[in-house]
Amino acid sequence: DVKVTQSSRYLVKRTGEKVFLECVQDMDHENMFWYRQDPGLGLRLIYFSYDVKMKEKGDIPEGYSVSREKKERFSLILESASTNQTSMYLCASSLEGARGYTFGSGTRLTVV
Amino acid sequence: KQEVTQIPAALSVPEGENLVLNCSFTDSAIYNLQWFRQDPGKGLTSLLLIQSSQREQTSGRLNASLDKSSGRSTLYIAASQPGDSATYLCQGAQKLVFGQGTRLTINP
Repeated sequence: DVKVTQSSRYLVKRTGEKVFLECVQDMDHENMFWYRQDPGLGLRLIYFSYDVKMKEKGDIPEGYSVSREKKERFSLILESASTNQTSMYLCASSLEGARGYTFGSGTRLTVV
Repeated sequence: KQEVTQIPAALSVPEGENLVLNCSFTDSAIYNLQWFRQDPGKGLTSLLLIQSSQREQTSGRLNASLDKSSGRSTLYIAASQPGDSATYLCQGAQKLVFGQGTRLTINP
């Protein structure tokens, strides 16, 4: 069964910490994405990547960075976590043209 | 900037009814459009992808159509069942923008 796996289901971090959210896909997909989902705001794209070592900013990249050193792994980094980054984070991957779009189960991050 | 709007925000219908969910987008240069469902506390599951050369896609009781000229897509669900209860989201795939979703409840 093909999967997008996010390393943590729930995470609690302190303000100012550097936080790493990991996402791994086993489908050999070219594209990978990081979204956050908040009530009333819906899903918003943070960063995406079309290839290894490539990254593109989405709609809300401020306070975040990403790393894609291998095709199957896409990491989201919160450089200095803040309380307004408390959210549900969703990783996804797809083939070219949005085919095979698959989401992970999400990481609910709480920053205290 | 591409904006995607879904109406209604919530919908509750009795089991067995046919229903239509609507999605509108502001940028007619949309490449393709995708419909997802999301169950509470979970990730999204892709339902149907309508690519740029297509006008509709069907999967079982679901049918999605895309009219680029009017900036609209609809998701038609036939003979609704309680298991269809979920939030349905559309995405303009080129711009990677999601609508806020329609929360659907099917009452037994």
